[in-house]
Amino acid sequence: QKEVEQDPGPLSVPEGAIVSLNCTYSNSAFQYFMWYRQYSRKGPELLMYTYSSGNKEDGRFTAQVDKSSKYISLFIRDSQPSDSATYLCAPPDNTDKLIFGTGTRLQVFP
Amino acid sequence: DVKVTQSSRYLVKRTGEKVFLECVQDMDHENMFWYRQDPGLGLRLIYFSYDVKMKEKGDIPEGYSVSREKKERFSLILESASTNQTSMYLCASSPVSGSGRTGELFFGEGSRLTVL
Repeated sequence: QKEVEQDPGPLSVPEGAIVSLNCTYSNSAFQYFMWYRQYSRKGPELLMYTYSSGNKEDGRFTAQVDKSSKYISLFIRDSQPSDSATYLCAPPDNTDKLIFGTGTRLQVFP
Repeated sequence: DVKVTQSSRYLVKRTGEKVFLECVQDMDHENMFWYRQDPGLGLRLIYFSYDVKMKEKGDIPEGYSVSREKKERFSLILESASTNQTSMYLCASSPVSGSGRTGELFFGEGSRLTVL
């Protein structure tokens, strides 16, 4: 079993939709979780991170962690074509190196 | 604006050639990393460095080596390129652990290497 798993997609939604991107992990020792966004032919960039359980909101983006079920979610409200990208979840391991999921490709069409 | 610069965006090399991928960061970060990214496999860590002249193997170091002679520069070397090293290579840097920003990697735009 991979330590971090994501559905590769693509997930295709109309502009304005609420998007839910999900990630599962196997290591209960992960303490916090990061979401990276990667546009086509670009390097990933940090979108947001959240510690432990609960929600964190940043504009149209909300990150949610459920440690009891080892499940991480990223919600995008009022999705825009500019949100079309691959979204990677990445918890740091106990040596602070990131363990990346394979990413979910999102397409938002006008 | 913080920046990680990779010297070549696209390279085409032949099997057996020696390949150098260069990465420079201007953020005075201690940590630097080399990943490769392949469809369905995600980002896999090749090598990383927490200090000048220091290097550590990542998850897939075979067939690669690295050099870090200066804090801002981290080079990835393919001693004898093979077709299975065709990939997107991503360099990243981060501040030192414990700075309150652990895990925040800053990536370059990537170097797409094709080995024929």
